[in-house]
Amino acid sequence: AQSVAQPEDQVNVAEGNPLTVKCTYSVSGNPYLFWYVQYPNRGLQFLLKYITGDNLVKGSYGFEAEFNKSQTSFHLKKPSALVSDSALYFCAVRDSLYSSASKIIFGSGTRLSIRP
Amino acid sequence: KAGVTQTPRYLIKTRGQQVTLSCSPISGHRSVSWYQQTPGQGLQFLFEYFSETQRNKGNFPGRFSGRQFSNSRSEMNVSTLELGDSALYLCASSLSRDLYEQYFGPGTRLTVT
Repeated sequence: AQSVAQPEDQVNVAEGNPLTVKCTYSVSGNPYLFWYVQYPNRGLQFLLKYITGDNLVKGSYGFEAEFNKSQTSFHLKKPSALVSDSALYFCAVRDSLYSSASKIIFGSGTRLSIRP
Repeated sequence: KAGVTQTPRYLIKTRGQQVTLSCSPISGHRSVSWYQQTPGQGLQFLFEYFSETQRNKGNFPGRFSGRQFSNSRSEMNVSTLELGDSALYLCASSLSRDLYEQYFGPGTRLTVT
């Protein structure tokens, strides 16, 4: 069975500093990994995905994530945080893109708070 | 291009009642998925529809059902509401069954009293 863990409920970072939001996963086959962001009273917005290829994936709003197969991790990163990055971030995994038996599993979410 | 729309945005129902939520995907998108978001359980997959057929289903009781119409609009229904059904229900659409770029609607906030 697949699973995803976000070990930190909250991450606090000063504006301008680098940020990391952690995610680890477990799947039986190849992992397909995603990051989403949720702003208050809004749905989720897609940030980036890892399907195959380069381990460093670049996404929206200056975010990037590094796929590490040996550590089964997919941490979200940004070199310089903005106050507007404050939101709830979800990591997600699925073990197939096309199988009718494949479901997407979301982590519990990490609240990112950027202080001015 | 308009985004995913969900109606209503807010809903208050009483235990035992039933409710129907509606989702209109982005024009041209044929896949619609539904999710339940609660503080305790987080984001959980409910079901996925593609071309009017349910392709996948999460671990929810039979009180939760859905359907998709020929124009790709989707509805989900919850019968015999329980207090624990209070949640934000999110709909997401994607162009095909290639689900990795899903576009989410703002959600319907359901409160069961």
